[in-house]
Amino acid sequence: EPEVTQTPSHQVTQMGQEVILRCVPISNHLYFYWYRQILGQKVEFLVSFYNNEISEKSEIFDDQFSVERPDGSNFTLKIRSTKLEDSAMYFCASISSYEQYFGPGTRLTVT
Amino acid sequence: ELKVEQNPLFLSMQEGKNYTIYCNYSTTSDRLYWYRQDPGKSLESLFVLLSNGAVKQEGRLMASLDTKARLSTLHITAAVHDLSATYFCAVDRGSNYKLTFGKGTLLTVNP
Repeated sequence: EPEVTQTPSHQVTQMGQEVILRCVPISNHLYFYWYRQILGQKVEFLVSFYNNEISEKSEIFDDQFSVERPDGSNFTLKIRSTKLEDSAMYFCASISSYEQYFGPGTRLTVT
Repeated sequence: ELKVEQNPLFLSMQEGKNYTIYCNYSTTSDRLYWYRQDPGKSLESLFVLLSNGAVKQEGRLMASLDTKARLSTLHITAAVHDLSATYFCAVDRGSNYKLTFGKGTLLTVNP
């Protein structure tokens, strides 16, 4: 069964550093998403991506964040200058027939 | 702004008992989703409810949707320990399919 994959599973970085989180969505899906979940809290939408451009972004998704689909398979989330409050699980998702399939997540720890 | 509220947020049950988790949302939405999350893990799709009156069942879990009341329920029948997890409901609106999540219900089933 196809699945969404994410790398790395855990990333530790120092405040102010740039990080890139990588995702490989399911190949024939057209919509891609990034969500984040701060420990013990609800899942929050960050950004959606369709037809090689951002289709919607949340208030959280400020100028420090960017997304790219550099080739036909990878989908990346970049945080330019990480802050302590960026520590969270970041989930990538893609959609087919209304159902969103979530990747296993990347735990980002900013120290 | 679309808001999704779940209750209860914490639920401790005995094995063999029945209980219901409630999910209310603030504005008309297109679809309602239920997800399960085990600690440190990703989101596992349980149900997608597409229309008023929709009812879906899988094992000991049954989900229903009342779009007029803007309410979905997740009913647990004869709980077993393996059902211990956090359950999230989420809704989407519009063509972008982005999900707005509730805070989650932490379910603990005790022997």
